[in-house]
Amino acid sequence: QVQLVESGGGLVKPGGYLRLSCAASGFTFSDYYMSWIRQAPGKGLEWVSYISSRGSSLYYADSVRGRFTISRDNAKNSLYLQMNSLRAEDTAVYYCARQAGWSHSFFDYWGQGTLVTVSS
Amino acid sequence: DIQMTQSPSTLSASVGDRVTITCRASQSISSWLAWYQQKPGKAPKLLIYKASSLQSGVPSRFSGSGSGTEFTLTISSLQPDDFATFYCQQYDSYSTFGQGTKLEIK
Repeated sequence: QVQLVESGGGLVKPGGYLRLSCAASGFTFSDYYMSWIRQAPGKGLEWVSYISSRGSSLYYADSVRGRFTISRDNAKNSLYLQMNSLRAEDTAVYYCARQAGWSHSFFDYWGQGTLVTVSS
Repeated sequence: DIQMTQSPSTLSASVGDRVTITCRASQSISSWLAWYQQKPGKAPKLLIYKASSLQSGVPSRFSGSGSGTEFTLTISSLQPDDFATFYCQQYDSYSTFGQGTKLEIK
């Protein structure tokens, strides 16, 4: 069965950095676009970034562009999110999600999420 | 950017009720709309995609309709397991979620 397991969250000071990972299993990872989606405490969902199946196409929400970098290693069935220059407003649960289709798609499988807290 | 607006923000209903949640897009998104259910502390779960297609394994009491800018999610007969927060998502242009509708027990 499809499984997505995020890791790497934690407490970080404003201006700091963190790298999230998502381990995928149960499907051919290299065939799918993947995304990161976040949810601030008590708030709604915000799509953050996607990456194409081979990693050649990337896109970011305006709120993170220039600070976050999405990447993947298809040999390791893994998705990553490098988060730099972190701000208090980046505090959220970060989910990795499989896109059912190409660049514009819905998300058919989600991980359980990893909490990132940005605070001094 | 395409904005998505859900109504109501909160909905109180009883087991067995028929409920409808509305999602409006700031511009036409054709049928590129999905619905998700999220329970506290859990990841969202896909219910409906392409406005009216039921995801595999989702009970048939869930249905979606609409196109263009106005969409609805209907639960025909509420079950105890259905109380949760529901989100719409447009994927016509990248991705935007609605602000959510919390379905509470009356």
